[in-house]
Amino acid sequence: AQSVTQLGSHVSVSEGALVLLRCNYSSSVPPYLFWYVQYPNQGLQLLLKYTSAATLVKGINGFEAEFKKSETSFHLTKPSAHMSDAAEYFCALSRFGNEKLTFGTGTRLTIIP
Amino acid sequence: ETGVTQTPRHLVMGMTNKKSLKCEQHLGHNAMYWYKQSAKKPLELMFVYSLEERVENNSVPSRFSPECPNSSHLFLHLHTLQPEDSALYLCASSQGGGSVYEQYFGPGTRLTVT
Repeated sequence: AQSVTQLGSHVSVSEGALVLLRCNYSSSVPPYLFWYVQYPNQGLQLLLKYTSAATLVKGINGFEAEFKKSETSFHLTKPSAHMSDAAEYFCALSRFGNEKLTFGTGTRLTIIP
Repeated sequence: ETGVTQTPRHLVMGMTNKKSLKCEQHLGHNAMYWYKQSAKKPLELMFVYSLEERVENNSVPSRFSPECPNSSHLFLHLHTLQPEDSALYLCASSQGGGSVYEQYFGPGTRLTVT
């Protein structure tokens, strides 16, 4: 069985501050991990993915995430928040050769001017 | 058009109506998916089609009926829905055959059942 846990359904940060969105996973086999972003009234857009190469993954819009096997974590960070980062963020997990994605419940990010 | 498109973007239907949601992908992918996104719940995978064959059906009620006539098109036929079926329905596609199925999502259809 596999699962994804996102700590904090709502996160608020000031514009220019560090963004940290937390994701922990459980998987019996080495996972592939993804972060998706969903803007209002839109579908999900892939931010970045970990596929067992480099543990520090850089994505679009200045986001990055680090895979830490010892902590079973894949937290998403951005050094300086921008108003346009306000959205809902989803962490997801899949396994080798498997079509299914298991999603977390999402974290809504609010940026305070 | 590029990416994954979905029509209609918004749909209001009564419980006795029959309607269909359409998804089209322009990415040359060979796997397509339907998800249901309800408020305060994780995304629910409903159906997976790989090479036009259904490979996943997550105990979805029979009032939802998928159809995949070819690798570019996916439909979700709806009939006698319930108010709790109101949600955002997302379509996605991916290229299978490798180790990672990176999914690309459409904008969704916002369904309201009255």
